[in-house]
Amino acid sequence: AQSVTQPDIHITVSEGASLELRCNYSYGATPYLFWYVQSPGQGLQLLLKYFSGDTLVQGIKGFEAEFKRSQSSFNLRKPSVHWSDAAEYFCAVGAKGNTGKLIFGQGTTLQVKP
Amino acid sequence: DGGITQSPKYLFRKEGQNVTLSCEQNLNHDAMYWYRQDPGQGLRLIYYSQIVNDFQKGDIAEGYSVSREKKESFPLTVTSAQKNPTAFYLCASSMRDGSGNTIYFGEGSWLTVV
Repeated sequence: AQSVTQPDIHITVSEGASLELRCNYSYGATPYLFWYVQSPGQGLQLLLKYFSGDTLVQGIKGFEAEFKRSQSSFNLRKPSVHWSDAAEYFCAVGAKGNTGKLIFGQGTTLQVKP
Repeated sequence: DGGITQSPKYLFRKEGQNVTLSCEQNLNHDAMYWYRQDPGQGLRLIYYSQIVNDFQKGDIAEGYSVSREKKESFPLTVTSAQKNPTAFYLCASSMRDGSGNTIYFGEGSWLTVV
């Protein structure tokens, strides 16, 4: 079955600390992978995406993610978290040719301590 | 500005009533999508349309209906048959050329059944 797992429902980090949000997927075809961020009551904003090529992808707001096929993972990282990064983060997987049909993880809520 | 407009932002419905959520995009995207978001469950696909006058069921289509009479519009009707309609609804759109283009989301509509 196709699925996306975000093992951490809630994460709290101190401002300035590094961050890693985990994402594991199960997908039969070659996956297209995405990370989105959502502020409360708002739509989703794309942080970054991986389709092919370099397995380390850079995104907006200083985020990056690394695709590891052997581990079926696509973890999101940021070296230094800012208070404005507090939000909910979603990992998603889609198929080539129909990337709007995404399978989402349950999300990870990030809280940033001053 | 280009983007996806959803309306209304907040909607209250009595049990047994149908309600229609509007979604309009001026991005000239071919494909449009409706997702439902519940706390702790991520996003789930309701319906999608890759071209005018055609649409397909997603994972949770029961109790919902859509139409795609114009490229820029993809309204969603939540019918009285939907058992638990209270949720946050997100409309999205993307190009359809299969190259893995980005999916863009609207700001969402909150539906509450009272």
